[in-house]
Amino acid sequence: SQKIEQNSEALNIQEGKTATLTCNYTNYSPAYLQWYRQDPGRGPVFLLLIRENEKEKRKERLKVTFDTTLKQSLFHITASQPADSATYLCALDGGGSARQLTFGSGTQLTVLP
Amino acid sequence: DAGITQSPRHKVTETGTPVTLRCHQTENHRYMYWYRQDPGHGLRLIHYSYGVKDTDKGEVSDGYSVSRSKTEDFLLTLESATSSQTSVYFCAISESTQETQYFGPGTRLLVL
Repeated sequence: SQKIEQNSEALNIQEGKTATLTCNYTNYSPAYLQWYRQDPGRGPVFLLLIRENEKEKRKERLKVTFDTTLKQSLFHITASQPADSATYLCALDGGGSARQLTFGSGTQLTVLP
Repeated sequence: DAGITQSPRHKVTETGTPVTLRCHQTENHRYMYWYRQDPGHGLRLIHYSYGVKDTDKGEVSDGYSVSRSKTEDFLLTLESATSSQTSVYFCAISESTQETQYFGPGTRLLVL
């Protein structure tokens, strides 16, 4: 069956360091992958989308990679700040006629000052 | 929150009662989605709509029905609420199925 795994439920890092979050998937062949940020009590907010023919995408301090051979995406936040503390969700194109998104359960990132 | 509102924002109800949650958008997006979010499960798709009166089931549709009579409104109904439907419900919209989804603020539902 299809499965998405995001690394460890919680990740703590020191301010200024690079945070790296992992999204692994099995039994999918997604055409694209998205990353969302979710703050407590709020809905997820879109950050980046990367397509299967793209290896890397950047936006300001954010970088996403997509390795369809390893079936893995890495999400990097460089020069992290306490304001980056949130839960980060990866979402895959789940296929099917409507190509709905399937979400991972998220990684909670805490950036310590 | 990209012109999406959900109502009510909080609801407490009793087992066996019907409950309707409303999602309203002002973006004129074609696609609308209902998800539930539970600890350890992430966001799971309940139902989605690809146009007025056009809906389909998602991963966890049992016990839920939806209706979309206008582009801007997508209703989620729990026919007879159960404690297992205690959750946070999110509505989302998108212009197409391969684009960003924009989420509403969520509805926290407690079924006693």
